[in-house]
Amino acid sequence: AQSVTQPDIHITVSEGASLELRCNYSYGATPYLFWYVQSPGQGLQLLLKYFSGDTLVQGIKGFEAEFKRSQSSFNLRKPSVHWSDAAEYFCAVYNTNAGKSTFGDGTTLTVKP
Amino acid sequence: EAGVTQSPTHLIKTRGQQATLRCSPISGHTSVYWYQQALGLGLQFLLWYDEGEERNRGNFPPRFSGRQFPNYSSELNVNALELEDSALYLCASSRGEVYGYTFGSGTRLTVV
Repeated sequence: AQSVTQPDIHITVSEGASLELRCNYSYGATPYLFWYVQSPGQGLQLLLKYFSGDTLVQGIKGFEAEFKRSQSSFNLRKPSVHWSDAAEYFCAVYNTNAGKSTFGDGTTLTVKP
Repeated sequence: EAGVTQSPTHLIKTRGQQATLRCSPISGHTSVYWYQQALGLGLQFLLWYDEGEERNRGNFPPRFSGRQFPNYSSELNVNALELEDSALYLCASSRGEVYGYTFGSGTRLTVV
């Protein structure tokens, strides 16, 4: 069965600093991978996705992620964090056979002024 | 384009009652997914509907059920409500697996 691990429950960074959120997945085939962001009391918004091709993918809001098959990782990065980036971030893998996405437990990002 | 809409925004029910949650997908999306987001438990997959059929369900008891209508909107029903059913219920739609999901803002269900 597929699974997603986000090792960091909570990360705090200063505004303007760089950010990397970790995601490790377990899935037998080539994965469809996603990052979502959730602001308090809201639904999730898709940041970016990977399913084939270039292993470095660009998303909205200045985010990017790199797929590393050898490490089973799909880490999310941003070069300079803004206060508005404070939110919860979820990594997900889509299982094409089951027709559903499995989400990690999320990483809460706090941005210090 | 209009996003995924869910209603009601908040719902308060008494233990043992039934709750009905509604979801309208983005126009052109035929797949609807339901997830439960309970405090401390992350997002748990509930149900997947596509073209009016239930395609898959998560590890939830049968009192969680739903349906998809011909216009692709969907309804989630929770019978015999228990306190632990209190959660944010999220609906998402998709036009294909490689595109990811578009989520609604959710229905906050509180069981007292």
